[in-house]
Amino acid sequence: NAGVMQNPRHLVRRRGQEARLRCSPVKGHSHVYWYRQLPEEGLKFMVYLQKENIIDESGMPKERFSAEFPKEGPSILRIQQVVRGDSAAYFCASSPPGTGAGGNTIYFGEGSWLTVV
Amino acid sequence: GDSVTQMEGPVTLSEEAFLTINCTYTATGYPSLFWYVQYPGEGLQLLLKATKADDKGSNKGFEATYRKETTSFHLEKGSVQVSDSAVYFCALTPNTGGFKTIFGAGTRLFVKA
Repeated sequence: NAGVMQNPRHLVRRRGQEARLRCSPVKGHSHVYWYRQLPEEGLKFMVYLQKENIIDESGMPKERFSAEFPKEGPSILRIQQVVRGDSAAYFCASSPPGTGAGGNTIYFGEGSWLTVV
Repeated sequence: GDSVTQMEGPVTLSEEAFLTINCTYTATGYPSLFWYVQYPGEGLQLLLKATKADDKGSNKGFEATYRKETTSFHLEKGSVQVSDSAVYFCALTPNTGGFKTIFGAGTRLFVKA
C-alpha cells in the first residue's frame, strides 16, 4: 500500500458521538483523498485535499462531515454526531505533487472501520 | 457522468479455472483504467492499470486490455488459485484534469480447492 497510514484501524462509537479518522500520506505526497465503502458496496469518493486546501468535496455529506489536511500533521476526517448509517470503512489515499491529469496511481491505506452502535 | 459497471458476483471457481470479470465504463475522452484487489479486512491494492487504448496491463498472472471501441477493461487470469479469493474493483480516472477515481461496485471471487 505504499505507506499510507491510517488510524485507528477499527473504531466503535455510540450514536451521537464524534469520530475522528487520521491519515498520514506517503512521504512527499501532497494530495489526499477520502473514500467511503459501505458494506458490500464499492468505494465512493468523498473529498480531495491538498495541503491546507479542499479541492473537491462533492462526495461529502453536507452536514456532520468535515475534512482537513493541515500544513503539518495528518489529514483528519471528522464525523460529528454519528448515526448508524455512518458505519463503513473509510479509506484514505494519496498521490504525489505535480501529478497531472489522469493516469496517475493513487495509493490506498488499509482503511478505518467505523462501527456505530 | 463517468461511471464503471462490473459484472455482479459472487463468482465461484475451482482452482486452476479460467477467470474473466467483465468491466465496462462510460467516460468522455480517454480515461485511465485500473483494477484493484481487496482481500478480507484489508485496503485496496493496485493490481494493474492501462492509460491508453490497446494498452494491456498485467500483474501476478492477471491481464486486462483497454478496449476503446467496446469501452471495456475485462480482467482475466488463466489459472486461478485459492489465494486469489478477494473482491476485485474496476476503476477509472478521467483525463480531464480531475483526480477523482470512480469505482465499480466490486466483484467477489471465491476459489475452491
